[in-house]
Amino acid sequence: QSVLTQPPSASGTPGQRVTISCSGSSSNIGSNYVYWYQQLPGTAPKLLIYRNNQRPSGVPDRFSGSKSGTSASLAISGLRSEDEADYYCAAWDDSLSGFWVFGGGTKLTVL
Amino acid sequence: QLQLQESGPGLVKPSETLSLTCTVSGGSISSSSYYWGWIRQPPGKGLEWIGSIYYSGSTYYNPSLKSRVTISVDTSKNQFSLKLSSVTAADTAVYYCARRIISYVNDAFDIWGQGTMVTVSS
Repeated sequence: QSVLTQPPSASGTPGQRVTISCSGSSSNIGSNYVYWYQQLPGTAPKLLIYRNNQRPSGVPDRFSGSKSGTSASLAISGLRSEDEADYYCAAWDDSLSGFWVFGGGTKLTVL
Repeated sequence: QLQLQESGPGLVKPSETLSLTCTVSGGSISSSSYYWGWIRQPPGKGLEWIGSIYYSGSTYYNPSLKSRVTISVDTSKNQFSLKLSSVTAADTAVYYCARRIISYVNDAFDIWGQGTMVTVSS
């Protein structure tokens, strides 16, 4: 059971805009930054969004992140077949002695 | 270009200790700008942070694993290592090592190794 809650699946057609949600609590998303990772099949996760809405160099501006209260969202516009992957949100959790927490992942299918 | 490479046994017996090493190439593990961490992913499941270490040896661990985890660093070899004791089948996973930035503008796990599959079975 992951600390951050994501829908297990999402889908869209090429060119569409899709959003993936990530729900947490006051000890993680509510008080810390959110990060998003993309994991293509059989590969390691790749940083997609850091500090809620910042893109590392090389990440297309089709990807955007937002946060409100204890929830966050990843939006992908102009959906492409190569966007088919698993997406994970992450945040620091202040409870106990503090630790990194991840969502359970959302499998995005491009129809 | 900095790269991370995990290495270690792919099969560990129940109750024994899992040991993995991450070798950093193309950069120094002794940089004050990074933490180095371990993250795992059971087959078909999500990611779980195990713990992280600074080049000085300072560590912090996932509370759920803390009693069984030791992470250490060898700056002379540009490596850091993971030991997980008393393993069970639930520890079967792909284990990733990753770099985490420490900066005013970014603090993400930005570079990951390719991962290594560890199976716990007799």
